[in-house]
Amino acid sequence: EVQLVESGGVVVQPGGSLRLSCAASGFTFDDYAMHWVRQAAGKGLEWVSLISWDGGSTYYADSVKGRFTISRDNSKNSLYLQVNSLRAEDTALYYCAKGGYDYGDAIDYWGQGTLVTVSS
Amino acid sequence: QSALTQPASVSGSPGQSITISCTGTSNDVGTYNLVSWYQQHPGKAPKLMIYGGSTRPSGVSNRFSGSKSGNTASLTISGLQAEDEADYYCCSYAGSNTLIFGGGTKLTVL
Repeated sequence: EVQLVESGGVVVQPGGSLRLSCAASGFTFDDYAMHWVRQAAGKGLEWVSLISWDGGSTYYADSVKGRFTISRDNSKNSLYLQVNSLRAEDTALYYCAKGGYDYGDAIDYWGQGTLVTVSS
Repeated sequence: QSALTQPASVSGSPGQSITISCTGTSNDVGTYNLVSWYQQHPGKAPKLMIYGGSTRPSGVSNRFSGSKSGNTASLTISGLQAEDEADYYCCSYAGSNTLIFGGGTKLTVL
């Protein structure tokens, strides 16, 4: 059974930083691309970032480019999102999500999310 | 890049069929057969219902079907059941290794 468990969400002041983590199990982690997707309260889903199976390629939504960094440690079956220069509009539930073999493949499994709140 | 356009809400009675549209552009939906659909119940994570435009993952009811015409993808749910009441999101590959989601549609089963 595929499991994705996020952690690291906290209340942080504007301009602050934090690191989100995602522990993956139930599949061969280093076979697949991985994503972060976020959802503000009462709002829709917003794709944030994608990382290739080996971590060698990363991609970002324009809204987070230059502020967020996605990474992975295949030896630990873990995905990360370093988020810097946080803004109020970054407040959201952040989902770790499993992609496919190819970048265009659908996200097929989601974690339960970790909540990031940006507030002074 | 703006979100794909979905109706904010749709409704139907049990047993009826409904269709949710998802309109993009020639940069995403119109070019790639890589549209997926997700069901999200309140307080829950999204669940994949359709991928590749029209393929159902194992375990998803055949009451759910997907299609595409031009820049618009559609999700049809037939034989509506109370448990289908949820939010539905479309998602498309948008080139340059990015994804774009729709704004979401709230389905109410009357």
